[in-house]
Amino acid sequence: SSELTQGPAVSVALGQTVRITCQGDSLRNYYASWYQQKPGQAPLLVFFGKNNRPSGIPDRFSGSRSGNTASLTITGAQAEDETDYYCNSRDSSGNYVFGTGTKVTVL
Amino acid sequence: EVQLVQSGAEVKKPGESLRISCKGFGYTFTNFWIAWVRQMPGKGLECMGIIYPGDSDTRYSPSFQGQVTIAADNSINTAYLQWSRLKASDSAIYYCARVTSSYGDHCFDYWGQGTLVTVSS
Repeated sequence: SSELTQGPAVSVALGQTVRITCQGDSLRNYYASWYQQKPGQAPLLVFFGKNNRPSGIPDRFSGSRSGNTASLTITGAQAEDETDYYCNSRDSSGNYVFGTGTKVTVL
Repeated sequence: EVQLVQSGAEVKKPGESLRISCKGFGYTFTNFWIAWVRQMPGKGLECMGIIYPGDSDTRYSPSFQGQVTIAADNSINTAYLQWSRLKASDSAIYYCARVTSSYGDHCFDYWGQGTLVTVSS
């Protein structure tokens, strides 16, 4: 399958930890990359690969993979983390595929 | 500083043709794949296809094969996304993004600001 499935929404209390998951067969072979998208803005890369965080991204963002599931964890969520998040990976044909997106609400 | 700068918003009628652009700055344009990503109103991200400007190798995602054309002009560090006959369902924001591979891990590390395309009669 070339699909990447994310839960539609998740909520977290301010300062607590939230995990966003992305499921798909291709994740057994490829690591995911993760993007944050705020309203009216282009997506922003926040984590990719086994353990890569772009310069300028807070270290509260981290990623992991187990079997066919990739996860983005926000440890100590802040108000500014409230927005949409997308995973991305490659399918068996090498095409790039995005997940369905998860809306994070910080309470 | 790496930047991708896209062309401005477009308003077109169904059946018209259109080409939008994405110009790269601050890096060797021919050494990185460029992806085009669609975002329909209120919806998620969809990768339409990628192009390697170095040799114009182009790969289309199945849903977009035959629907659009992706091209590049190395002489001006610019990638293009074009339609020969627009449909109302082509109304969306279109982003270009640079594809980076680091030790086999792929990602879209820099993004253009997006081009809003509106197709309406």
